[in-house]
Amino acid sequence: DAGVTQSPTHLIKTRGQQVTLRCSPKSGHDTVSWYQQALGQGPQFIFQYYEEEERQRGNFPDRFSGHQFPNYSSELNVNALLLGDSALYLCASGRVQGSYGYTFGSGTRLTVV
Amino acid sequence: GDSVTQMEGPVTLSEEAFLTINCTYTATGYPSLFWYVQYPGEGLQLLLKATKADDKGSNKGFEATYRKETTSFHLEKGSVQVSDSAVYFCALDEKLTFGTGTRLTIIP
Repeated sequence: DAGVTQSPTHLIKTRGQQVTLRCSPKSGHDTVSWYQQALGQGPQFIFQYYEEEERQRGNFPDRFSGHQFPNYSSELNVNALLLGDSALYLCASGRVQGSYGYTFGSGTRLTVV
Repeated sequence: GDSVTQMEGPVTLSEEAFLTINCTYTATGYPSLFWYVQYPGEGLQLLLKATKADDKGSNKGFEATYRKETTSFHLEKGSVQVSDSAVYFCALDEKLTFGTGTRLTIIP
């Protein structure tokens, strides 16, 4: 049973560009959350998707947007990249109904130069 | 807003030593509490959880008790191993507000 799959694993972008990160949730999971983890810091909640809608959002600007597809997979889009967007982006999936706790992917390491 | 305060690291212990990593929280209501572990180069893994006061979560020899009166969820292990070396994160509620993490290194 595959866990949470994220792609790509590493990415280098230039300031001002746009980036799309992808996440496939664990089988049986219906909600996806995205986190930004700067080096040496704890993950910061970006937003959560359920039933193809953004349900909760953390303190991130509108440059960060997302989407959830009918098969529960999700994308994170970041526009007008800044150097400060360089981080590990983690996707976590879970079930809205049922036991607590999320399953995390290994993340996408984004470097903005 | 909700917040988590974790014991600052790094923490270095000898193998078989007793481990405590402190975690306190601020939240409205009665949040669920979690400990996650992150091994080098990997994503986060759920280590244990507790969903109500006085619950004790346990896994792989680690334990943590949800203490509402002290708003704490300290992580403990009686005898650590080299393989426990990782970064440990305390978190609360479904949105997972994380602490800053505590890096643990166990030396043989």
